[in-house]
Amino acid sequence: GENVEQHPSTLSVQEGDSAVIKCTYSDSASNYFPWYKQELGKRPQLIIDIRSNVGEKKDQRIAVTLNKTAKHFSLHITETQPEDSAVYFCAASKGDYKLSFGAGTTVTVRA
Amino acid sequence: NAGVTQTPKFQVLKTGQSMTLQCAQDMNHNSMYWYRQDPGMGLRLIYYSASEGTTDKGEVPNGYNVSRLNKREFSLRLESAAPSQTSVYFCAGEGGDTDTQYFGPGTRLTVL
Repeated sequence: GENVEQHPSTLSVQEGDSAVIKCTYSDSASNYFPWYKQELGKRPQLIIDIRSNVGEKKDQRIAVTLNKTAKHFSLHITETQPEDSAVYFCAASKGDYKLSFGAGTTVTVRA
Repeated sequence: NAGVTQTPKFQVLKTGQSMTLQCAQDMNHNSMYWYRQDPGMGLRLIYYSASEGTTDKGEVPNGYNVSRLNKREFSLRLESAAPSQTSVYFCAGEGGDTDTQYFGPGTRLTVL
């Protein structure tokens, strides 16, 4: 099955700086790549997603890039704020109803 | 819309006991999923139901059974709970008006 690796496992940034999380996937047939944010004790919530026919997608301070050749995709958060502190998960799917998740990145934004 | 709901929120079981986790959605999802979340391991798929009347195994199905009762409801059953099943369980729905998976609030299960 699909294997998704996510790095780093923890990330501490100064408020206002940028944060980057990287994921690699193993199955070249994967074509859908969502990112979820999970605050402590809460459910994972979708923050942005990208499909394989697009190289980059942006939504305010969040952007995702996809490199199909290298089989990796990244989440970029600019101008980080304290409310960005959470665990972020990447995932990949090849349209077979299943998402494979990375292990998560705990992001801490220091004031 | 309530979205995806789960009951109970918390549960403590003794080894060998059985229980059923309930999930319901009112978002017209065709597909529904059960995941477990353990520290440092992300979300792992237990079972899923691509459509009403069908169920399939995911990555970690051993020790669990599921029932897709109707389009709205998808339950997860532990027949004989083991300490290794201590985890947070999330139900999710997808399809209908969206191809994004939406998660329920989770059930925190402890097996002693």
